[in-house]
Amino acid sequence: EAEVAQSPRYKITEKSQAVAFWCDPISGHATLYWYRQILGQGPELLVQFQDESVVDDSQLPKDRFSAERLKGVDSTLKIQPAELGDSAMYLCASSLLTGTNTEAFFGQGTRLTVV
Amino acid sequence: GDSVTQMEGPVTLSEEAFLTINCTYTATGYPSLFWYVQYPGEGLQLLLKATKADDKGSNKGFEATYRKETTSFHLEKGSVQVSDSAVYFCALSEAGGSYIPTFGRGTSLIVHP
Repeated sequence: EAEVAQSPRYKITEKSQAVAFWCDPISGHATLYWYRQILGQGPELLVQFQDESVVDDSQLPKDRFSAERLKGVDSTLKIQPAELGDSAMYLCASSLLTGTNTEAFFGQGTRLTVV
Repeated sequence: GDSVTQMEGPVTLSEEAFLTINCTYTATGYPSLFWYVQYPGEGLQLLLKATKADDKGSNKGFEATYRKETTSFHLEKGSVQVSDSAVYFCALSEAGGSYIPTFGRGTSLIVHP
């Protein structure tokens, strides 16, 4: 069964350092999302891509976060510099968005701890 | 904007009890509705979905019916198992929102033997 791949699964970094997360969506899924999930809460969207283009990054803290999907396939989310409040689960998801197939499929996430 | 409201948890049940987790939504258009499940330390897994009014989504003994008149999508299961212990998220997406899934805060389910 096709899956969304994310790496690393876990990341511990010191504050003010740079950190990057990688995501490979399900093959053929043009839409890719990055979400942040704080413990005990629901996922909140950071950025949505359609192919290589950003559709919505209104909730992305652009002073320290950046996201790219250069070839419209895999994607990287970067934080520089990391702050203590960035500790969370970072989830990548992809979707086909054709007909009634609008559901998002999630990867296993990257648990970030900033110390 | 779109929003999803779920009942507060945790919901604590004994094995084989009946489960209901309430979910109501607010949307500007005509959304698709989803339930996702998250096990500790894992990502979200799609549990079931419904794309139009009166549709019933079902999977693994769970079911939910899209009620447009009450803007609700309550999750039910007739007999829960210990292995159902997890966090359950209600979500919606619609064309007006670029199909970006919007999630509720999640409801934790704990099932005791």
